[in-house]
Amino acid sequence: DGGITQSPKYLFRKEGQNVTLSCEQNLNHDAMYWYRQDPGQGLRLIYYSQIVNDFQKGDIAEGYSVSREKKESFPLTVTSAQKNPTAFYLCASSMDQGGVGRPQHFGDGTRLSIL
Amino acid sequence: RKEVEQDPGPFNVPEGATVAFNCTYSNSASQSFFWYRQDCRKEPKLLMSVYSSGNEDGRFTAQLNRASQYISLLIRDSKLSDSATYLCVVNDPKTSYDKVIFGPGTSLSVIP
Repeated sequence: DGGITQSPKYLFRKEGQNVTLSCEQNLNHDAMYWYRQDPGQGLRLIYYSQIVNDFQKGDIAEGYSVSREKKESFPLTVTSAQKNPTAFYLCASSMDQGGVGRPQHFGDGTRLSIL
Repeated sequence: RKEVEQDPGPFNVPEGATVAFNCTYSNSASQSFFWYRQDCRKEPKLLMSVYSSGNEDGRFTAQLNRASQYISLLIRDSKLSDSATYLCVVNDPKTSYDKVIFGPGTSLSVIP
């Protein structure tokens, strides 16, 4: 079955540590996205990528980094510069059609907490 | 004004009731509209796209009012399993890629 796989499901970060969240899709989608969701809040865009080897900052990119070396993969690193990393992180993908808005499909998320 | 606004609820309704949610959006140039459903501590899942002429999928009906810049979701014959948060999603026409804006969600509890 096609879908988006995020791992790990739960992750704990120590002070000063960088951690990487994995996101893999086999939907052959061009575009991939990372969102952060805080309790009782809406989704906020961290980074997005429309094509391999290209990515752009979203609304809250500070303290995060990404790479897009393969179409299928879009890992997110939460760096030590992100002082409030505790949140639910969601990866999504879509068939990018250049601004008209295609529905996005989500992985089942990673919950990150500080130790 | 926020880009996408929803009444957070909660809406508490008995089984079998009909319930409606509205969502307003700020940019009149938006072209694509969706309703997602998010269960507690789960990922959002696409419920339905919203088309200009309105569309129906079983017990769910979505409407778009461009003049007033709002979309609505009607759920008929509510089931216990409909309890969830419903997210209104609108594309952001200011970007050249498929950026969408998520509303904060409306919480629905269907009570036995």
